[in-house]
Amino acid sequence: KNQVEQSPQSLIILEGKNCTLQCNYTVSPFSNLRWYKQDTGRGPVSLTIMTFSENTKSNGRYTATLDADTKQSSLHITASQLSDSASYICVVSGGSNYKLTFGKGTLLTVNP
Amino acid sequence: DSGVTQTPKHLITATGQRVTLRCSPRSGDLSVYWYQQSLDQGLQFLIQYYNGEERAKGNILERFSAQQFPDLHSELNLSSLELGDSALYFCASSGLAGGETQYFGPGTRLLVL
Repeated sequence: KNQVEQSPQSLIILEGKNCTLQCNYTVSPFSNLRWYKQDTGRGPVSLTIMTFSENTKSNGRYTATLDADTKQSSLHITASQLSDSASYICVVSGGSNYKLTFGKGTLLTVNP
Repeated sequence: DSGVTQTPKHLITATGQRVTLRCSPRSGDLSVYWYQQSLDQGLQFLIQYYNGEERAKGNILERFSAQQFPDLHSELNLSSLELGDSALYFCASSGLAGGETQYFGPGTRLLVL
């Protein structure tokens, strides 16, 4: 069964600190992996998309890594800001028709 | 602003009723996706349409149906509503049939009483 597991479930950090969110998946065959940021009550916004051949991808202060051998990805946030408080969702595309499997997300709270 | 619009923003209805949610994709996008997000669940993929045709089906109940019209807007019909159908319903669009970035709308919050 295709699954995407994210950890931690929630995380609280102080403004200015760095943090790393984890995503492990069992989706096969693999097409691509996406990280989304979702503010409370709003639609998700795409941060990065990585294919099998990409190990790392950055979007400003967000850097995603992918290890397709171990089926693990991480999202590193540098110099966190209050506006980074949101849920971060890992999504893996695989199988026929690019079916998407969603993780349950990591709820990040950045405190002043 | 993603360019995807959804109406209505909020909907309150009673069990057993039927509602229709509407989505207009970004200009030029051919694919529309529908998702359900309950309080204790992650995003659940319901169904995808590409250029008017059903492309992929996820965990969509038989009480739910969708269609995409010639102008590419889409509607999600929910019937015989139950309390458990209360959720945020998101529409997303993308340019092609799959594999690229999806742009999400602001969602419709449905409350079934």
